[in-house]
Amino acid sequence: QVQLQESGPGLVKPSETLSLTCTVSGGSIRNYYWIWVRQPPGEGLEWIGYIHYTGRTNYNPSFKSRVTISLDTSKNQFSLKLTSVTAADTAVYYCAREGAMDVWGQGTTVTVSS
Amino acid sequence: EIVLTQSPGTLSLSPGERATLSCRASQSVSTNSLAWYQQKPGQAPRLLVYGASSRATGIPDRFSGSGSGTDFTLTIGRLEPEDFAVYYCQQYGSSPLTFGGGTKVEIK
Repeated sequence: QVQLQESGPGLVKPSETLSLTCTVSGGSIRNYYWIWVRQPPGEGLEWIGYIHYTGRTNYNPSFKSRVTISLDTSKNQFSLKLTSVTAADTAVYYCAREGAMDVWGQGTTVTVSS
Repeated sequence: EIVLTQSPGTLSLSPGERATLSCRASQSVSTNSLAWYQQKPGQAPRLLVYGASSRATGIPDRFSGSGSGTDFTLTIGRLEPEDFAVYYCQQYGSSPLTFGGGTKVEIK
């Protein structure tokens, strides 16, 4: 069955760029939407954005122009970049599949601190 | 943006009891594109219900979703020990996708 795995630095300095990758295994990245969601410590879930396998993207306006999601079909991966991070971006970051998110990665904790 | 309000915030019940969780949307959810998730500490959310009332693969039939428009309900028929967790509703019919604040189902 399809599995997702997030990877990337667990610690990012304020004002720098958070970069994460989600690797899709056990299935193709084609024909689906791929999503990033985050969860600050002790809080609820927040949708960051999605990318369709065709490359079309849609982002949560609350992130304004800080977020970019991209796709590498040759590697079966999609990625998240979030610029100008602050402590408020400290969270567990999840990748998931589709609008009703039927497959999730285990999540990766990112801490923003100097 | 569609705001989802879940109630109650916490539900204290005993195993074997029935749980009824509510999710109210600030505007109509397009094509009933409403999902429910279960999350346990330290774990990713798990999809329980999509399309307001369709159970996801492998989800026991004690979980059922209902509702349309702006009012949705997740019912857990008889609580098992493993059902005590936090439950979130989420709409995926319009952008931005949004989640409710969650309902914690705790052991009484």
